[in-house]
Amino acid sequence: ELKVEQNPLFLSMQEGKNYTIYCNYSTTSDRLYWYRQDPGKSLESLFVLLSNGAVKQEGRLMASLDTKARLSTLHITAAVHDLSATYFCAAEEDNDMRFGAGTRLTVKP
Amino acid sequence: DVKVTQSSRYLVKRTGEKVFLECVQDMDHENMFWYRQDPGLGLRLIYFSYDVKMKEKGDIPEGYSVSREKKERFSLILESASTNQTSMYLCASGLAGAGAGNTIYFGEGSWLTVV
Repeated sequence: ELKVEQNPLFLSMQEGKNYTIYCNYSTTSDRLYWYRQDPGKSLESLFVLLSNGAVKQEGRLMASLDTKARLSTLHITAAVHDLSATYFCAAEEDNDMRFGAGTRLTVKP
Repeated sequence: DVKVTQSSRYLVKRTGEKVFLECVQDMDHENMFWYRQDPGLGLRLIYFSYDVKMKEKGDIPEGYSVSREKKERFSLILESASTNQTSMYLCASGLAGAGAGNTIYFGEGSWLTVV
């Protein structure tokens, strides 16, 4: 069964700090996605990771994939208030896309 | 730009009513999905479709059905709405194919309240 587990579910950070969100998945396809959702809005694609060791970076966010551990991480560097949102990871297998529960990130001044 | 349009942003329905949620995409995507989003539970897959007239159950299909008569349109049907189906419903679409590694694109969401 395709499962995606994400932690933590809630994360409150001070501006300027670093933190990591973890995503474990059970698929064998090793295709992993990260999305961002702002309150009241839909989901927006951030990263697509397709192979072991893949690393993608956009601004203060960096996503990586370890297919041996079936683990993806989303690392936040020097957080700023604009990064406050809910972040979801998702894993896909045979056209079936499943999501983690989401991490609600709040960045405080 | 990819556009996924959900017909209704906000609906209020009575228990026992039949409810239709419509979703249309304009990018000729093979795959379409219906998710339900509830606080603390993330997105849960209700049904997905990988081709016209084809459908697969997701994690929580009970109480729902779907219809895909045309490639661009995927409908979610609540045959007899119940209060525990009050939620936000998200439609998404994406390209198909193993190894595609394609992201999926979401609609704006439909907030359904069943009273």
